[in-house]
Amino acid sequence: DAGVIQSPRHEVTEMGQEVTLRCKPISGHDYLFWYRQTMMRGLELLIYFNNNVPIDDSGMPEDRFSAKMPNASFSTLKIQPSEPRDSAVYFCASSLVPSTDTQYFGPGTRLTVL
Amino acid sequence: KQEVTQIPAALSVPEGENLVLNCSFTDSAIYNLQWFRQDPGKGLTSLLLIQSSQREQTSGRLNASLDKSSGRSTLYIAASQPGDSATYLCAVLSSGSARQLTFGSGTQLTVLP
Repeated sequence: DAGVIQSPRHEVTEMGQEVTLRCKPISGHDYLFWYRQTMMRGLELLIYFNNNVPIDDSGMPEDRFSAKMPNASFSTLKIQPSEPRDSAVYFCASSLVPSTDTQYFGPGTRLTVL
Repeated sequence: KQEVTQIPAALSVPEGENLVLNCSFTDSAIYNLQWFRQDPGKGLTSLLLIQSSQREQTSGRLNASLDKSSGRSTLYIAASQPGDSATYLCAVLSSGSARQLTFGSGTQLTVLP
């Protein structure tokens, strides 16, 4: 398996624009997680899915953020409208049963909002 | 709310030295504790996962211990090499929020040749 795949790897956009980040989890993994990493706040969980259903989105910072998982092999994280404070590295991870198995992280998308 | 603290924030050692990284957490109600490695500009790579019922796990030159009652874990790296230079992150999966990993801020390790 190629591991967790994220695209794009880098995104530079202007404030107010819509940004869509994409993730393909490892085949067979039932759980998918979106994280954000910044120098100030470290790694934070934004939302996670189980069998394509959002389970906990309490980490989503505000209504400008939304995430979907239309099928088992694809998820998106959308920011609309984007703001400079959204600049961060966004990671997607997937796993089997979280209580016993580790999470496998993608390479991340580095987002810069000007 | 679970809080995870890692000490030290940065560490620089000469090649060949044995070293210990520390992690502490505030809530002992956990499923497991995991150690990850992050290289600059890259994602996280899992190193070791210790279930709450276990005391330690070993992989090659790495050994991680867990003392759940005191809320502490250590990652021991034997015979360090320059290739071990990276940021090491400790993460705890709390049993209260069953699937949410809480990460420490990491220890940035530099192994000097």
